[in-house]
Amino acid sequence: QQQVKQSPQSLIVQKGGISIINCAYENTAFDYFPWYQQFPGKGPALLIAIRPDVSEKKEGRFTISFNKSAKQFSLHIMDSQPGDSATYFCAASPWGSQGNLIFGKGTKLSVKP
Amino acid sequence: DTAVSQTPKYLVTQMGNDKSIKCEQNLGHDTMYWYKQDSKKFLKIMFSYNNKELIINETVPNRFSPKSPDKAHLNLHINSLELGDSAVYFCASSQLAGGGAGELFFGEGSRLTVL
Repeated sequence: QQQVKQSPQSLIVQKGGISIINCAYENTAFDYFPWYQQFPGKGPALLIAIRPDVSEKKEGRFTISFNKSAKQFSLHIMDSQPGDSATYFCAASPWGSQGNLIFGKGTKLSVKP
Repeated sequence: DTAVSQTPKYLVTQMGNDKSIKCEQNLGHDTMYWYKQDSKKFLKIMFSYNNKELIINETVPNRFSPKSPDKAHLNLHINSLELGDSAVYFCASSQLAGGGAGELFFGEGSRLTVL
């Protein structure tokens, strides 16, 4: 019940295309859902986050879609660029303990020029 | 000026040795963490400290002992190292806000290799 399941494990997208990464959770106590981006040799960095009171959040080319009833959320990267090539992690936690994040297993995104 | 800094960045050692990783944050945050990232890139929380008090201790072997001399520092000491301890260890910090911790700021990681 503590797991966050993330797919796909890897993703190759052409420049300008849309990258979509999906996550699912079971624990209904989770109510904070961030996405972190990690470049090789670096620590993860927060990209965008959502709480269940909204179904979508957009920041620039990055959008989180959230489906509370299905307990699923996804990251959409519009107009994907080679500089977006990185590993993306979804995560979840109860609001009272956002630091205790349960991470998905990550998606390695490669954007081809 | 690095926000969360860890030392050393790389650490190679023999089984059975004891080693420490140091972490410092200059963000003025209340809470610091240690996360472990294994060879498959899976990230898992190990410890969390809030104002020098341990508030999370996941099922981590007691060979791992965090020490926080002040709220800007959180060190990780590992005794009797085992092959399975090989991983990248990330320190992170956050500021309590709205009843819970906010964005995590991660260091660049310390890659530990146990031979």
